[in-house]
Amino acid sequence: AQSVSQHNHHVILSEAASLELGCNYSYGGTVNLFWYVQYPGQHLQLLLKYFSGDPLVKGIKGFEAEFIKSKFSFNLRKPSVQWSDTAEYFCAVIPVTGNQFYFGTGTSLTVIP
Amino acid sequence: GAVVSQHPSRVICKSGTSVKIECRSLDFQATTMFWYRQFPKQSLMLMATSNEGSKATYEQGVEKDKFLINHASLTLSTLTVTSAHPEDSSFYICSAKGTSSFYEQYFGPGTRLTVT
Repeated sequence: AQSVSQHNHHVILSEAASLELGCNYSYGGTVNLFWYVQYPGQHLQLLLKYFSGDPLVKGIKGFEAEFIKSKFSFNLRKPSVQWSDTAEYFCAVIPVTGNQFYFGTGTSLTVIP
Repeated sequence: GAVVSQHPSRVICKSGTSVKIECRSLDFQATTMFWYRQFPKQSLMLMATSNEGSKATYEQGVEKDKFLINHASLTLSTLTVTSAHPEDSSFYICSAKGTSSFYEQYFGPGTRLTVT
């Protein structure tokens, strides 16, 4: 069965620190990959997505993610976090042959000013 | 663009009653809408997929008679929790798939249901 793992459940960083959130998926076929962010009290918003091409994708607010096919990974990075990045981050995968998103369990990021 | 709304944002109901949650795509037509349930500190779990004008497809383990889904138009899908029980208390989120990108979904803000 398809699954998405986010190994960091809760991350606490100081402002200006670098961020990397892990995401691994298990699926034998081709997938499209997404990172969503949920700010406190708000709905899910798309941060970035990967469909094909350059495996290093840039999203909004300075976030980027790298797809490493051999490792089934799609880690999210940001070189310097801000207090406003405090939120819940979800990795999601959708097989190209399917219609259904598979979400990771989410990572709660707290940035301390 | 691509805004999805949900109503109500919060609802408290008594055990045994039914609750209807609406999901609307405000500025685009959504042929497919999805309903998710999110437990505290956990991921979103897909409950069902609804296509306009046809019956919803439920995920394994989701009771279709308890969670009634209707997708009567290209901009509206409803989820009715029938005979609600405290264990149905959760955060329900809908998403809608637009026509511009096959894989992108736009999420509503969610509805917090509390059954007392």
